[in-house]
Amino acid sequence: EAGVTQFPSHSVIEKGQTVTLRCDPISGHDNLYWYRRVMGKEIKFLLHFVKESKQDESGMPNNRFLAERTGGTYSTLKVQPAELEDSGVYFCASSQDLARTAGGYTFGSGTRLTVV
Amino acid sequence: GENVEQHPSTLSVQEGDSAVIKCTYSDSASNYFPWYKQELGKGPQLIIDIRSNVGEKKDQRIAVTLNKTAKHFSLHITETQPEDSAVYFCAASRGFKTIFGAGTRLFVKA
Repeated sequence: EAGVTQFPSHSVIEKGQTVTLRCDPISGHDNLYWYRRVMGKEIKFLLHFVKESKQDESGMPNNRFLAERTGGTYSTLKVQPAELEDSGVYFCASSQDLARTAGGYTFGSGTRLTVV
Repeated sequence: GENVEQHPSTLSVQEGDSAVIKCTYSDSASNYFPWYKQELGKGPQLIIDIRSNVGEKKDQRIAVTLNKTAKHFSLHITETQPEDSAVYFCAASRGFKTIFGAGTRLFVKA
């Protein structure tokens, strides 16, 4: 079974530019999550999709961040325009059910975003 | 808001010694507590978990304990090996919401 795939693995952009991150979850996993880790800090929740619907987007920092999951398969996270504080590692995770029921999440390898 | 505190942030042990990482959570409704290991260049991977109706769980060299009254849970690694070197994250989960700690970087010296 293929795991969760994220692309790109690294991205360096200038302040004010736009970046789009992509996540392909495990096939059949209705639940898709975006998280972000800023250096040395906790892995912080951004949002949760159930199929193509946003179930919870309470962690999205501001309206410069836009997440989509058209068709309920892969998801994109766009940052426009990027600011210095957006730097960090963006993780995508998927699960078939509640973490408690599914036995946790499967994470991708992350996208390391650096805004200069 | 809800949070998970994790200590220590860095831990260095000699090969063969034990390592203990401790976490405290704030949401008393949390009922699932997974631990993830992140190796260099990879995403976090689940290594063990415990549900709120259990006080302790063991899997070979790793064990987790949970004290619901105190809202504390811990990861214990015995007979550490160099390949245990990684960043470990604790988490507390309720429904579809999972909150993570800040991570512990474990170094196991050969």
